[in-house]
Amino acid sequence: AQTVTQSQPEMSVQEAETVTLSCTYDTSENNYYLFWYKQPPSRQMILVIRQEAYKQQNATENRFSVNFQKAAKSFSLKISDSQLGDTAMYFCASLGGSQGNLIFGKGTKLSVKP
Amino acid sequence: KAGVTQTPRYLIKTRGQQVTLSCSPISGHRSVSWYQQTPGQGLQFLFEYFSETQRNKGNFPGRFSGRQFSNSRSEMNVSTLELGDSALYLCASRLGGRNTEAFFGQGTRLTVV
Repeated sequence: AQTVTQSQPEMSVQEAETVTLSCTYDTSENNYYLFWYKQPPSRQMILVIRQEAYKQQNATENRFSVNFQKAAKSFSLKISDSQLGDTAMYFCASLGGSQGNLIFGKGTKLSVKP
Repeated sequence: KAGVTQTPRYLIKTRGQQVTLSCSPISGHRSVSWYQQTPGQGLQFLFEYFSETQRNKGNFPGRFSGRQFSNSRSEMNVSTLELGDSALYLCASRLGGRNTEAFFGQGTRLTVV
């Protein structure tokens, strides 16, 4: 069975600084995808970034980048130049090739302070 | 392009009642998945429908059921509600392939009293 673990229930960062959210996962799939989703107080889950496991290059999306360590089954999210609007719950998720559902971690509540 | 629409946004029901939640996916998307989000259990997968057929199912009791219509709209039904069913129910739509991006609706907040 696939599992996703986020070990940081809460984090805070000063505006304009950089923060890294941790995620580890376990899967027996050879072909899988990893995601970071953001859930602001509006509750809508928004995709932040996506990584295909077969790609060695780390994905980046503007201020968001990942550090994907396949052997260690680690998938951390780095947010650079943090903004107040980044305040939200962040969920790490995996999607196995043989299954169509996302497996989510418990989430990390990120607060960006002015 | 309209996003994923879930109705209603909020719902209060009494124990023992049943409830139906609706999800309209993004136009052209054929896959609809449902997730339950609670503070204690986090986000848990309920089921996925693709082209009107249930393609995948999570570990929930038979009181939870769903269906998908020919226009890809999906409904989720919970019968004999229990207090523990209080949760945010999220719907996600995808184009079709298992590995395509999932787009989420804003959810339905169900409170069982």
